[in-house]
Amino acid sequence: AAGVIQSPRHLIKEKRETATLKCYPIPRHDTVYWYQQGPGQDPQFLISFYEKMQSDKGSIPDRFSAQQFSDYHSELNMSSLELGDSALYFCASTLRASYNEQFFGPGTRLTVL
Amino acid sequence: DQQVKQNSPSLSVQEGRISILNCDYTNSMFDYFLWYKKYPAEGPTFLISISSIKDKNEDGRFTVFLNKSAKHLSLHIVPSQPGDSAVYFCAAHPSNTGKLIFGQGTTLQVKP
Repeated sequence: AAGVIQSPRHLIKEKRETATLKCYPIPRHDTVYWYQQGPGQDPQFLISFYEKMQSDKGSIPDRFSAQQFSDYHSELNMSSLELGDSALYFCASTLRASYNEQFFGPGTRLTVL
Repeated sequence: DQQVKQNSPSLSVQEGRISILNCDYTNSMFDYFLWYKKYPAEGPTFLISISSIKDKNEDGRFTVFLNKSAKHLSLHIVPSQPGDSAVYFCAAHPSNTGKLIFGQGTTLQVKP
């Protein structure tokens, strides 16, 4: 069965650079969630989209923005990167009608040097 | 403010025995609870869930129990297998949003 795809899997950036993370949800899933997991921490909700509209917002810095496109894939744009942005970034998808079980992608490991 | 708490960072059990992972929550608005399993360098994998209107849900070797009055849930794995060794996250969300609030995770080691 098709799963959530995230790209790239690994990304290394310098401070103050920008990064774009991509998420391709499971086919027919209309809702996407982004989470950030710092070293030794639990995943923290960043932002979510339903039918291309932002549906919820968590502890996402103003330097970050995200959107969901017509094919339901989503991109997380991160600017003015800081050392503290180094983390695993997970995308999860679900059908809004049954959004209880979220299916996670493998994550993008971002390292900011 | 940790709304979902897993107070045991690690648990070690013998193969074939029962593993019990515990989770406490503080937000009475949570109405759906999930358990995820996570291997290093992989995303969380959904295991089992339970609605707040139930007190038990079973799926094969995995059973989740919910005690709403105590704001406590537990995941039972019987029998435990070495392949179950991973980090287990408890997560919850209220009815009006799908955003998951995670616990800190418990690392389970099942010894052969």
